[in-house]
Amino acid sequence: EDKVVQSPLSLVVHEGDTVTLNCSYEVTNFRSLLWYKQEKKAPTFLFMLTSSGIEKKSGRLSSILDKKELFSILNITATQTGDSAIYLCAVEEFLYNNDMRFGAGTRLTVKP
Amino acid sequence: KAGVTQTPRYLIKTRGQQVTLSCSPISGHRSVSWYQQTPGQGLQFLFEYFSETQRNKGNFPGRFSGRQFSNSRSEMNVSTLELGDSALYLCASSLTAKQFFGPGTRLTVL
Repeated sequence: EDKVVQSPLSLVVHEGDTVTLNCSYEVTNFRSLLWYKQEKKAPTFLFMLTSSGIEKKSGRLSSILDKKELFSILNITATQTGDSAIYLCAVEEFLYNNDMRFGAGTRLTVKP
Repeated sequence: KAGVTQTPRYLIKTRGQQVTLSCSPISGHRSVSWYQQTPGQGLQFLFEYFSETQRNKGNFPGRFSGRQFSNSRSEMNVSTLELGDSALYLCASSLTAKQFFGPGTRLTVL
């Protein structure tokens, strides 16, 4: 069965630390991988990755995709308390009707 | 434990029709949220139900409505469908802050 697995499930760090969140996937017809940040209810879009090896960067956040090994990582450098959130990984399949599968999320807590 | 289930998985309707989507949350979860996912707009929040009451609402027109039953199952209804309503509709249930997403219902409006 197709699946998206995120690790770790939860993480506690201190401000200034660098964190790496992982997302591995097994889907039949991969189209794209998306990262979201969820602080309250509605997740906020971070990145969409479609090509291997091309790093996407936004401020202190960056992400890269490895389509050969079927995983993606989300890096956050110099973490701040405002980075505390649940980070969701979702994989979109390229089928007649595109499906989207979400991982369980990583809960990141950044302590002062 | 069974995950969040959504039915139907795929649906094709024509403009002007109405549609009802169903979501069964994880057992014990009382909060159900609905989202619309489109390639151009990303994930947009529709509404959240908790204990049969709408607790939060996003910026969608009144054609989008929902309800939750005593067993926490939720339905979302869209009336007078428009072409722009074609999207993946995701349901998520939660016990605490962490949400668990269902596979979605792919709605195509012709």
